[in-house]
Amino acid sequence: DAKTTQPNSMESNEEEPVHLPCNHSTISGTDYIHWYRQLPSQGPEYVIHGLTSNVNNRMASLAIAEDRKSSTLILHRATLRDAAVYYCILINFNKFYFGSGTKLNVKP
Amino acid sequence: ETGVTQTPRHLVMGMTNKKSLKCEQHLGHNAMYWYKQSAKKPLELMFVYNFKEQTENNSVPSRFSPECPNSSHLFLHLHTLQPEDSALYLCASSQEGQDYNSPLHFGNGTRLTVT
Repeated sequence: DAKTTQPNSMESNEEEPVHLPCNHSTISGTDYIHWYRQLPSQGPEYVIHGLTSNVNNRMASLAIAEDRKSSTLILHRATLRDAAVYYCILINFNKFYFGSGTKLNVKP
Repeated sequence: ETGVTQTPRHLVMGMTNKKSLKCEQHLGHNAMYWYKQSAKKPLELMFVYNFKEQTENNSVPSRFSPECPNSSHLFLHLHTLQPEDSALYLCASSQEGQDYNSPLHFGNGTRLTVT
């Protein structure tokens, strides 16, 4: 299974943009890039996914490097409710393997 | 409300007990999953069911026995567990098509404590 590498933790100020990086240098041509987040005492929640092109939805944007070896999850205006662990995952078949993720702390 | 309901939310059991965790999804999905989340460790994929057929058993000990009677229900039967099996057990579902990359929808888990 292709691996992803994320920083252990990041900090952001409320109402500022946040860029969460993910490296996946061993990605294969058919791997999709998925992002999930897990708030305390809850199961993980789907955020966004993409293959090659940048993607936008109501929660976030996903920027995928041209060589697909890295991606960035962008939260345009962080709120206190965005404090969570964010996971970047590569999917080629429906076996989702989670890494350690990035713990995002949002300061008021 | 995630569309995936897990019961019970909390369970305490002794090592000689037999118990079952239940998961029900109200999303019309055709794939269901069990994950284990231990303290300070990444989520571990345990079992995958596609169209009620088990397609993945990720080297899970036989004291964990899954059952998927239909595409909406998933059980995890537990017997003779060890204290190290204490963890948050998460159920998820997805709608799988040809490309098998549909998003997962998780329940909020069952917090299991083995004494």
